Amino acid sequence: DAGVTQSPTHLIKTRGQQVTLRCSPISGHKSVSWYQQVLGQGPQFIFQYYEKEERGRGNFPDRFSARQFPNYSSELNVNALLLGDSALYLCASSLARRAEAFFGQGTRLTVV
Amino acid sequence: DQQVKQNSPSLSVQEGRISILNCDYTNSMFDYFLWYKKYPAEGPTFLISISSIKDKNEDGRFTVFLNKSAKHLSLHIVPSQPGDSAVYFCAASAGGTSGTYKYIFGTGTRLKVLA
Repeated sequence: DAGVTQSPTHLIKTRGQQVTLRCSPISGHKSVSWYQQVLGQGPQFIFQYYEKEERGRGNFPDRFSARQFPNYSSELNVNALLLGDSALYLCASSLARRAEAFFGQGTRLTVV
Repeated sequence: DQQVKQNSPSLSVQEGRISILNCDYTNSMFDYFLWYKKYPAEGPTFLISISSIKDKNEDGRFTVFLNKSAKHLSLHIVPSQPGDSAVYFCAASAGGTSGTYKYIFGTGTRLKVLA
């Protein structure tokens, strides 16, 4: 069975640009969460979506937004990119809101 | 405010011996805990979880112990194998009043198993 897939795997953007990251959850999983991981830190929660509704938001600015589609895939959008947005962005899916989360391989975003 | 702490950034263990990774938390509302393993250039891989109603959960070579009074959990790997060399993260969540079940991660411990 396919795991969580994320695209693209690597991305380089310029300050001020906008970026869209994509995630396909494990088949049957209805919950998708997004995390940001910077070097030397653990993943930081950005968003959780369940049944296409936002169910939680972490301490990130409004430049960060996300959505979940009817097929439960998800997109994370970041506007007006800053150098500090450079990080590994991880998507995780789970069967329910409170269940083990399975992560994708991540998208490495570099802002120059 | 680091609610989940992994105070040992690194740990080296001989192959075949026990690896013990520790994690402390400060939020008494946390009631569900997980351990993840992460290799370079990959996403975290789920290892084992434990609910606060238990004090031990075992899955093959991996055992997680939870001491609620001390707000401490540990992951034991027995026997350790070279393939276990990775960064290990503990994570915790609390039942959210708004239905948000976000995971709070520690900063990770790099385990190196020596052959």
